Amino acid sequence: QKEVEQNSGPLSVPEGAIASLNCTYSDRVSQSFFWYRQYSGKSPELIMSIYSNGDKEDGRFTAQLNKASQYVSLLIRDSQPSDSATYLCAVNEGSGYSTLTFGKGTMLLVSP
Amino acid sequence: EPEVTQTPSHQVTQMGQEVILRCVPISNHLYFYWYRQILGQKVEFLVSFYNNEISEKSEIFDDQFSVERPDGSNFTLKIRSTKLEDSAMYFCASSGRTGTSSYGYTFGSGTRLTVV
Repeated sequence: QKEVEQNSGPLSVPEGAIASLNCTYSDRVSQSFFWYRQYSGKSPELIMSIYSNGDKEDGRFTAQLNKASQYVSLLIRDSQPSDSATYLCAVNEGSGYSTLTFGKGTMLLVSP
Repeated sequence: EPEVTQTPSHQVTQMGQEVILRCVPISNHLYFYWYRQILGQKVEFLVSFYNNEISEKSEIFDDQFSVERPDGSNFTLKIRSTKLEDSAMYFCASSGRTGTSSYGYTFGSGTRLTVV
């Protein structure tokens, strides 16, 4: 059984702070890792993908991957109230059509 | 930016009735998926579809469920006899043709199914 674990939160940070979101996964064959943002009642929106160990930066977002520890994280710099949402970690085996296994998500609350 | 379109956005149905959820994937994508999310729960995989056939399905996707790509553009999910526990948000998704999964899926906006 593939598992993706996330702290459900809420994680509360003040505006302008760095938010750090974490995810662990159980399946060692996982190759591709994704962070989705989901506003309440809306569909998941892809914000970051990462495939190799290390860091990947895109604007205010940095994804970090450590396959040896089976750990993925997302850092959000200069957090804004509009970043308040649930962040979903998802993994798959990396083939073109392999399924995504999602974590339950971490709710992030950014206070003005 | 290309979108995955789902209709209807909200459907209320009586237990035991059949429902069809409709999706128009991104036109040059080859892989199509249905996921669902029960309120407060994680997003769960139902089925993937490639080259006009099911490529993978989960335990949730039992004989009550079926998928079809009837006309080359629409992708439908049918639930033959709905149960109360089928109430959820159903998401359609599509992904591009790549040797490895270098892209995350594009999800549609979802259909909220309420079974009463």
